[in-house]
Amino acid sequence: GQNIDQPTEMTATEGAIVQINCTYQTSGFNGLFWYQQHAGEAPTFLSYNVLDGLEEKGRFSSFLSRSKGYSYLLLKELQMKDSASYLCAVRDSNYQLIWGAGTKLIIKP
Amino acid sequence: IAGITQAPTSQILAAGRRMTLRCTQDMRHNAMYWYRQDLGLGLRLIHYSNTAGTTGKGEVPDGYSVSRANTDDFPLTLASAVPSQTSVYFCASSARAAVDTQYFGPGTRLTVL
Repeated sequence: GQNIDQPTEMTATEGAIVQINCTYQTSGFNGLFWYQQHAGEAPTFLSYNVLDGLEEKGRFSSFLSRSKGYSYLLLKELQMKDSASYLCAVRDSNYQLIWGAGTKLIIKP
Repeated sequence: IAGITQAPTSQILAAGRRMTLRCTQDMRHNAMYWYRQDLGLGLRLIHYSNTAGTTGKGEVPDGYSVSRANTDDFPLTLASAVPSQTSVYFCASSARAAVDTQYFGPGTRLTVL
């Protein structure tokens, strides 16, 4: 079966750095997405990786290792508004998105 | 409007009733999707449409139907609602099927009693 694993919940301090991991086992791989979802709102697109390596976008970076079936989302200079769930999704061989259950990130002052 | 709209925002429904969730996008995207989101689970695809006039089944299609008469609208119908269909439903779209980023509507919170 297909599986996306993420930690259920993480806590970090305002101004710090946090890394959210995602491991996947899917039938094929055609890219990995990270989305942010605030409570009661829609998921919003953060990043896309299809090749190995690090993609940086402001305070957010995303890393991919296809050989290890592993990705992480790195958030720097954490702000209170970063409190949200972070969803990892993999596009499989049928080009469908397979979603993880999400990581709830709690930011403390 | 810009983006994707969904209606209603929330609904409480008696089991056995028929319900249509509406989704409209103004981005001229070819592909549209319906997901359900349940606590502790990832988003699960119900149905999708790669282009107007075509639809396909996702991971959890039973009890749901869709139509895609034009580019902008993609309604989801529950023919006879059951309590297990209590969920938050998200509509999404992408410029092209399979290869482009999906963008989500605000969601519909549905409770079936």
